[in-house]
Amino acid sequence: AQSVTQLGSHVSVSEGALVLLRCNYSSSVPPYLFWYVQYPNQGLQLLLKYTSAATLVKGINGFEAEFKKSETSFHLTKPSAHMSDAAEYFCAVSESTASKLTFGTGTRLQVTL
Amino acid sequence: EPEVTQTPSHQVTQMGQEVILRCVPISNHLYFYWYRQILGQKVEFLVSFYNNEISEKSEIFDDQFSVERPDGSNFTLKIRSTKLEDSAMYFCASIMTDSDTEAFFGQGTRLTVV
Repeated sequence: AQSVTQLGSHVSVSEGALVLLRCNYSSSVPPYLFWYVQYPNQGLQLLLKYTSAATLVKGINGFEAEFKKSETSFHLTKPSAHMSDAAEYFCAVSESTASKLTFGTGTRLQVTL
Repeated sequence: EPEVTQTPSHQVTQMGQEVILRCVPISNHLYFYWYRQILGQKVEFLVSFYNNEISEKSEIFDDQFSVERPDGSNFTLKIRSTKLEDSAMYFCASIMTDSDTEAFFGQGTRLTVV
């Protein structure tokens, strides 16, 4: 069985500050890991994904995430937050290609002036 | 850019009624999924569909639910005898082939059961 834990349901940062959203996973097989973003009243948009290639993954909008097997983590970072980054962020895991996603509970990112 | 399309964007229905949520996956995709997100909660897997049959379903997907691909383009989720707790955002997603990992999501249908 697979699961995802996102620490911190709400994170608030100042504009220009580092963004760090935490994700830990559990999987019985080498996982595929994803970060999705959901803007208010919109669907889910893929930010980035880890599929067993490079452990540091770069995504859209300046986000990146590092897969750390020893820590079972896949934390999302962005060096400098922008107001437009305010949204809900979901970490997800799947156990194989073309398979279901298991999502974390999400982290709402607030960006303040 | 190809996208997954869901209709309607918002549906209000009375408790006990049947609803059909519609999705048009990306045209060359082969794997289809329904997820739901109850307000304030995480996104949950409901069912996956491939080659005109259910490939996996969650505990949530009981006899109240059914899926169908009635033609070459639509993928529907039917909820019979709706309950208040069925109120949620329902997302359709598709994946292109069995070697792909990226799921493309639609904008969702907000179902409100009153």
